[in-house]
Amino acid sequence: EDQVTQSPEALRLQEGESSSLNCSYTVSGLRGLFWYRQDPGKGPEFLFTLYSAGEEKEKERLKATLTKKESFLHITAPKPEDSATYLCAVQAGGKLIFGQGTELSVKP
Amino acid sequence: DAGITQSPRHKVTETGTPVTLRCHQTENHRYMYWYRQDPGHGLRLIHYSYGVKDTDKGEVSDGYSVSRSKTEDFLLTLESATSSQTSVYFCAIVSGGVDNEQFFGPGTRLTVL
Repeated sequence: EDQVTQSPEALRLQEGESSSLNCSYTVSGLRGLFWYRQDPGKGPEFLFTLYSAGEEKEKERLKATLTKKESFLHITAPKPEDSATYLCAVQAGGKLIFGQGTELSVKP
Repeated sequence: DAGITQSPRHKVTETGTPVTLRCHQTENHRYMYWYRQDPGHGLRLIHYSYGVKDTDKGEVSDGYSVSRSKTEDFLLTLESATSSQTSVYFCAIVSGGVDNEQFFGPGTRLTVL
């Protein structure tokens, strides 16, 4: 069964304290792994797509990496405005399967 | 925002009443999706469409039906709403770009009393 698990469920950081979010997946025939950011009361906002093991992508303080079993979203020197829920999803066929998300809180 | 709007944005209804949610897009995207988001379950696919009058079920389709009579509109209908369908509903489209990402609408918060 295709499955996505994210950890931790919640993460509290001090401003400037770097950390990583994990997304573990099992899927038959990965066609892409997606990271989204979701702010309260809004729809998910696209961050990255990764297609193959070893691939990395960066955007400002965020860097996403991919292996054959998991993906990491590294947050370097986070700021309070990085506080949000981060969602991971894998594409299986024409559908996305989402994890439950990691709620990140960055305190000044 | 990929030109996606959802209506209504908020709705309160009673058990047993029919409810229709609308997703409208302005950029002629082929694929459209309906998800529901609940605490502890994340985003789950209800139904999706790959063209006018072409739809298919997702993982939580029971109690829901959809229609797509024109490219720009994808309707989600709850024939007889139940309290378990209280949720936030998101519509999404696939960009068709190199990242193949889905863009999401702003969501509809539905409460079934």
